[in-house]
Amino acid sequence: DPKIIQKPKYLVAVTGSEKILICEQYLGHNAMYWYRQSAKKPLEFMFSYSYQKLMDNQTASSRFQPQSSKKNHLDLQITALKPDDSATYFCASSQGTGASAETLYFGSGTRLTVL
Amino acid sequence: QEKVQQSPESLIVPEGAMSSLNCTFSNSASQSIWWYQQHPGKGPEALISIFSNGNKKEGRLTVYLNRASLHVSLHIRDSQPSDSAVYLCAVRYGSSGNKLIFGIGTLLSVKP
Repeated sequence: DPKIIQKPKYLVAVTGSEKILICEQYLGHNAMYWYRQSAKKPLEFMFSYSYQKLMDNQTASSRFQPQSSKKNHLDLQITALKPDDSATYFCASSQGTGASAETLYFGSGTRLTVL
Repeated sequence: QEKVQQSPESLIVPEGAMSSLNCTFSNSASQSIWWYQQHPGKGPEALISIFSNGNKKEGRLTVYLNRASLHVSLHIRDSQPSDSAVYLCAVRYGSSGNKLIFGIGTLLSVKP
């Protein structure tokens, strides 16, 4: 059974609309993350949360807003969608954030296409 | 801006052969280097990590790290068709947070 659940698996949106990507983890981890993988580009760090608090934000645009309603949830709200936002968005988690040995576990991703 | 580069872009090896993948990074202050495996339509899965200069072996996997040359390699012994996937090199910097800088990956195909 997948331990990190991302919903939906595929998402098609029109330019200018707003979408929410869902992520829940059942690993008992305290830290959660969002990464983005665009075509022909490396996997790119977006946000990290620890105990539901924002730790790091590498996303320049305020159109991307993480939302953590519970310790094991980290949703990603994207507003005013643009075609350049088309990518696969991966949620990840780890036990903590402080140790260099922390393994990052990834979900299967939400593939977003903006028309 | 830290960068991670991987080579080759793609690699085809016969079943049973050794697969060798390379990764260079831009800053010797990296904390740890990770190798992830990614199958189509799936998220990356951690395979092996290394923190100190030298080598580390786990099963069929061996990783070599040379901080002076900013180079790390992954070797897969007795490659199997099930090893066919994209292999991602990732570097962790900093003492806090778990931000990984990823390379674009090497596509490995193991032919029966």
